Amino acid sequence: DADVTQTPRNRITKTGKRIMLECSQTKGHDRMYWYRQDPGLGLRLIYYSFDVKDINKGEISDGYSVSRQAQAKFSLSLESAIPNQTALYFCATSDLGGQSTDTQYFGPGTRLTVL
Amino acid sequence: GQQVMQIPQYQHVQEGEDFTTYCNSSTTLSNIQWYKQRPGGHPVFLIQLVKSGEVKKQKRLTFQFGEAKKNSSLHITATQTTDVGTYFCADGGGTSYGKLTFGQGTILTVHP
Repeated sequence: DADVTQTPRNRITKTGKRIMLECSQTKGHDRMYWYRQDPGLGLRLIYYSFDVKDINKGEISDGYSVSRQAQAKFSLSLESAIPNQTALYFCATSDLGGQSTDTQYFGPGTRLTVL
Repeated sequence: GQQVMQIPQYQHVQEGEDFTTYCNSSTTLSNIQWYKQRPGGHPVFLIQLVKSGEVKKQKRLTFQFGEAKKNSSLHITATQTTDVGTYFCADGGGTSYGKLTFGQGTILTVHP
């Protein structure tokens, strides 16, 4: 959906470099997520945020950090990139809906290659 | 953490054949969601199942939630080339409302 955008769409970098992936949404959703996708492993949650003041680690947060600059913006940083962080990264959003899990809306993805 | 196992990893079918992917958990699922990702695209929500034994249909797609809420399936009748892609199930319940735990996905290829 154009409602969730990610920049850059593709990035090639070298080991040890600092990288920031950005996500913006116009859906007005409170919840935002970062996932990485690797072949055969599905989508794994890196970090998530249920509102601007809330940041939580997912199952694979080591080597990553995030910043929730505003309701609409959620950035993922790799402080010192390593080759096994080569993957497809997705940002997603969902609405705060009580105790039910709401639909997640994914951005187009960022393909990151670490050489 | 809770794991969701999805099988098969790959499925190749001839156009017109049926296709089924299965999602299994060792613990009870509160609810399950299904997503489709077209080649080169991003996951797109298909449906959510909440009730034990629930069955929902979307045209040629039939989604089922097991009676014990530990498994789910997606069945496509008479596949078409537009069905190609990766189908993911995701557990969205337990103590982590708002978080999804995805299965590994099933990659469907449809040969014309």
